Amino acid sequence: DIVMTQSPDSLAVSLGERATINCKSSQSVLYSSNSKNYLTWYQQKPGQPPKLLIYWASTRESGVPDRFSGSGSGTDFTLTISSLRAEDVAVYYCQQYYSIPYTFGQGTKLEIK
Amino acid sequence: EVQLVQSGAEVKKPGESLRISCKGSGYSFTSYWISWVRQMPGKGLEWMGRIDPTDSYTNYSPTFQGHVTISADKSISTAYLQWSSLKASDTAMYYCATVEGFWGQGTLVTVSS
Repeated sequence: DIVMTQSPDSLAVSLGERATINCKSSQSVLYSSNSKNYLTWYQQKPGQPPKLLIYWASTRESGVPDRFSGSGSGTDFTLTISSLRAEDVAVYYCQQYYSIPYTFGQGTKLEIK
Repeated sequence: EVQLVQSGAEVKKPGESLRISCKGSGYSFTSYWISWVRQMPGKGLEWMGRIDPTDSYTNYSPTFQGHVTISADKSISTAYLQWSSLKASDTAMYYCATVEGFWGQGTLVTVSS
């Protein structure tokens, strides 16, 4: 199984400041035949199902604000929120869909400082 | 609009059987594999397995293999997750989802004597 490790486990950021969440996979999730990283980022708010933010590691889902961005390749990935808003308080998960079983990171809880 | 609508909350006793459902609408049901994801109370997301609605081919996470059964009936655009003998440790929210980012609203399963 590919193990996904997020850091930090929790994060407190001031409104308007940058938030950065890291995700590391135990093996590469880059598929060489199409040069795509099989890595998604989700946002989950209390009482709601997860919401897709980013797929292919860096492609923003339609309707997701452009303050959210994804980067990285191979085994190291980052989700960045450029200017934190109150509604961004949530738990964020990365997930690889490169190989079965599709594994999630443990989650990063983002709060307002 | 793509929608995945799950069956309602369940309260069961240990040893009982259960099947929960996930009905797709707004798209061709055979277009997307359906995954099931567990979220235990206050915990992270765990990928359980997936099914190709076209031919009901399944993959399971080793963690869940043998403990649950995933099935689908493409004639009614519905996927299922079932247990033959529930345990208290099966108490969780269960989501159906696609890799494309579509999620059901979740089904809360409570197993208690």
